[in-house]
Amino acid sequence: DAGVIQSPRHEVTEMGQEVTLRCKPISGHDYLFWYRQTMMRGLELLIYFNNNVPIDDSGMPEDRFSAKMPNASFSTLKIQPSEPRDSAVYFCASSRTGLRQPQHFGDGTRLSIL
Amino acid sequence: GQQLNQSPQSMFIQEGEDVSMNCTSSSIFNTWLWYKQDPGEGPVLLIALYKAGELTSNGRLTAQFGITRKDSFLNISASIPSDVGIYFCAGAKYNNNDMRFGAGTRLTVKP
Repeated sequence: DAGVIQSPRHEVTEMGQEVTLRCKPISGHDYLFWYRQTMMRGLELLIYFNNNVPIDDSGMPEDRFSAKMPNASFSTLKIQPSEPRDSAVYFCASSRTGLRQPQHFGDGTRLSIL
Repeated sequence: GQQLNQSPQSMFIQEGEDVSMNCTSSSIFNTWLWYKQDPGEGPVLLIALYKAGELTSNGRLTAQFGITRKDSFLNISASIPSDVGIYFCAGAKYNNNDMRFGAGTRLTVKP
């Protein structure tokens, strides 16, 4: 059974550029989560979806961040325009039935904004 | 968002020693989850706890759901070098709309 797949694994870009992170959840999982991890703030939940519908985006830092889930097997997290303080590791995770159930994480995208 | 209080922040131990770490909160949680993160990878679930007082083992790992539902601990017995990593606790509530992570405990095991 394939796990959560994220791409790219690494992204280095200049500030002001648009960044798109991609995620394919585990088949059959109804929930999808986007996290950001930094040394200063640890693991932060940015947004999560249930059956492709965004449920809680209160963790999204600002309007420059947006996330979509056009179908059950694909989600994107977009940053436009990017800033150096957005540098972090971004994780996608999925679970079968919600926040109380174990989440399966991808290997993350390490984002560096110069 | 607000995180759980996880301690210690880091631990340096000798191979073979036992390890204990915990998470506390000012509010009640209905689920506690413990994850481990290896370098360059995402967190992986170790143990899930769903009832107050529950004590669950997974090999050398044991975790407990505190009676007050405001805390949980994780013990690792007879540590080995591959136990190195960051351990996270996570708490979730019944309303399914509140879940948060601890800041992590970074474990180093000296051979």
